[in-house]
Amino acid sequence: DTGVSQDPRHKITKRGQNVTFRCDPISEHNRLYWYRQTLGQGPEFLTYFQNEAQLEKSRLLSDRFSAERPKGSFSTLEIQRTEQGDSAMYLCASSPAGTGPEAFFGQGTRLTVV
Amino acid sequence: SQKIEQNSEALNIQEGKTATLTCNYTNYSPAYLQWYRQDPGRGPVFLLLIRENEKEKRKERLKVTFDTTLKQSLFHITASQPADSATYLCAPTTGFQKLVFGTGTRLLVSP
Repeated sequence: DTGVSQDPRHKITKRGQNVTFRCDPISEHNRLYWYRQTLGQGPEFLTYFQNEAQLEKSRLLSDRFSAERPKGSFSTLEIQRTEQGDSAMYLCASSPAGTGPEAFFGQGTRLTVV
Repeated sequence: SQKIEQNSEALNIQEGKTATLTCNYTNYSPAYLQWYRQDPGRGPVFLLLIRENEKEKRKERLKVTFDTTLKQSLFHITASQPADSATYLCAPTTGFQKLVFGTGTRLLVSP
């Protein structure tokens, strides 16, 4: 296992289009997180899953954003009707059960909305 | 609301010196404080975690302190190398549900 995998690495889309990102966590990590990061800022929390249950969502996650984690394995983050302000790096992280809060991040998906 | 402050200005030091980065937080009491390294265009990488009942933690050339009275953590890199150049993020954490990060401090180590 080589770590958290995110796909695609880069996405350019036109305003108004829908986009979907995928995250494959480290095997057997039951906790999965999505973050968004813009230039010069730290990652901002979007949502958290424990297994397949979405336990917390940030108010940053507007109605246009939805995340799923079917069967508690991979996760998808969908953004509908993209806006230029959605341009950012979207990061996924995972953590194993029964350990501390340290998280293992993927390389991120860079979204550019034109 | 929770507030985390890291020096937004880049820290420039010479190779071989000790780099010291600061993380201050207000309006909450984290049980843990984590430090991550982030290189341009890549995800953060976990470095160290210190618990509220620990004053200091070391890992190779890294040392972290956690002062719950001052609400501050210091992150030291001794014998710094150009390869240590990166952005360092702190994340004072109350639980397992999410990490709240500071804006990060960029470290530049020149040969």
